[in-house]
Amino acid sequence: AQSVTQPDIHITVSEGASLELRCNYSYGATPYLFWYVQSPGQGLQLLLKYFSGDTLVQGIKGFEAEFKRSQSSFNLRKPSVHWSDAAEYFCAFVFSGGYNKLIFGAGTRLAVHP
Amino acid sequence: NAGVTQTPKFRILKIGQSMTLQCTQDMNHNYMYWYRQDPGMGLKLIYYSVGAGITDKGEVPNGYNVSRSTTEDFPLRLELAAPSQTSVYFCATLQGEYGYTFGSGTRLTVV
Repeated sequence: AQSVTQPDIHITVSEGASLELRCNYSYGATPYLFWYVQSPGQGLQLLLKYFSGDTLVQGIKGFEAEFKRSQSSFNLRKPSVHWSDAAEYFCAFVFSGGYNKLIFGAGTRLAVHP
Repeated sequence: NAGVTQTPKFRILKIGQSMTLQCTQDMNHNYMYWYRQDPGMGLKLIYYSVGAGITDKGEVPNGYNVSRSTTEDFPLRLELAAPSQTSVYFCATLQGEYGYTFGSGTRLTVV
């Protein structure tokens, strides 16, 4: 069955440190992939998305993600984390023939130490 | 242009009561979705609709019902509320190349 896995439930980094959030998907073909961020008590904001082409995708707020077909992964990265990046991050995908339903991972909660 | 509007923002229900979560969009999008969000579980799809008059079940439809009589509205009905339905509910629409728009959510507590 199609699914997306975020192996890390919680991650804590120091402000200014680099960040990588992991995401793996299970699907027979290349899905459309997304990263969303949710600040406490807020809705979801799209950080970036990948459909095809260049496997390194740039998003908002200085985030980027790299699609690796061989590893079925779509990891999110940021070179230098700011305290305002503390939030929950969700990886999601859409697969063809699925009525465009977004399938979400369980999320990774990011804490940032000063 | 209000986007996706969800009402109410907060609600406390007693076990066995019923209620309707409202979702309205003014973007003329055909695809609409209802998700619930539980801690550590991400968002799970409850129901979705591909247009007025067409709805289908998602991953976790039990205990819920939907209708889609117009393009604008996609209400979610809870009958006989149970504590397991305590959650945050999000409505979303889709336009074009996977441009999803989410509402701000409804936080529901069943006691």
